[in-house]
Amino acid sequence: QLQLQESGPGLVKPSETLSLTCTVSGGSISSSSYYWGWIRQPPGKGLEWIGNIYYSGNTYYNPSLKSRVTISVDTSKNQFSLKLNSVTAADTAVYYCARTSGDRYHFDYWGQGTLVTVSS
Amino acid sequence: DIQMTQSPSSLSASVGDRVTITCRASQSITGYLNWYQQKPGKAPKLLIYAASGLQSGVPSRFSGSGSGTDFTLTISSLQPEDFATYYCQQSHSRPFTFGPGTKVDV
Repeated sequence: QLQLQESGPGLVKPSETLSLTCTVSGGSISSSSYYWGWIRQPPGKGLEWIGNIYYSGNTYYNPSLKSRVTISVDTSKNQFSLKLNSVTAADTAVYYCARTSGDRYHFDYWGQGTLVTVSS
Repeated sequence: DIQMTQSPSSLSASVGDRVTITCRASQSITGYLNWYQQKPGKAPKLLIYAASGLQSGVPSRFSGSGSGTDFTLTISSLQPEDFATYYCQQSHSRPFTFGPGTKVDV
């Protein structure tokens, strides 16, 4: 059974960089059939797609965040990571990692999510 | 960006009811429409992909239909575990976007 688990600091200061890692178990991140992505959800609000990465390193970002986001992959560790710089309180959210199907681009497996609060 | 809208934003229903939720895209997304269920404090769960494909393990009381700009999620007989918020998501074009959600409660 595929499992995804987010990890990283739960508190980040304004103007600093948010860094999260998603560890994939029960399957290979190097599968050619899938992308791997990040989605976030501010408290009490809806879902926002942040971006995706393919195992080869090809990335796709939401233009609304593109200038601040970097997603990377480490196939040797079966992990992919998110960095969001220059954070503000508006970046406070639950951050989810998810597997994305490579044909229809639906998110079929999700991590449990991790709350990141931006506050001094 | 493709904008997604959902109606209603919330609804009250009873166990056994037939529930229908509508999702509309701001432009044609052909069949690239997915539905998720989210319960409080949990990650979203994929129910329907590609407008009408039932995700493995999802009960058959859930069904999806539509194409182009208008889509529907139907729960044929609402069960106690179905009280949740439902989101549609378009995967036709990046940036992938979600609807604002429909909360189904008692």
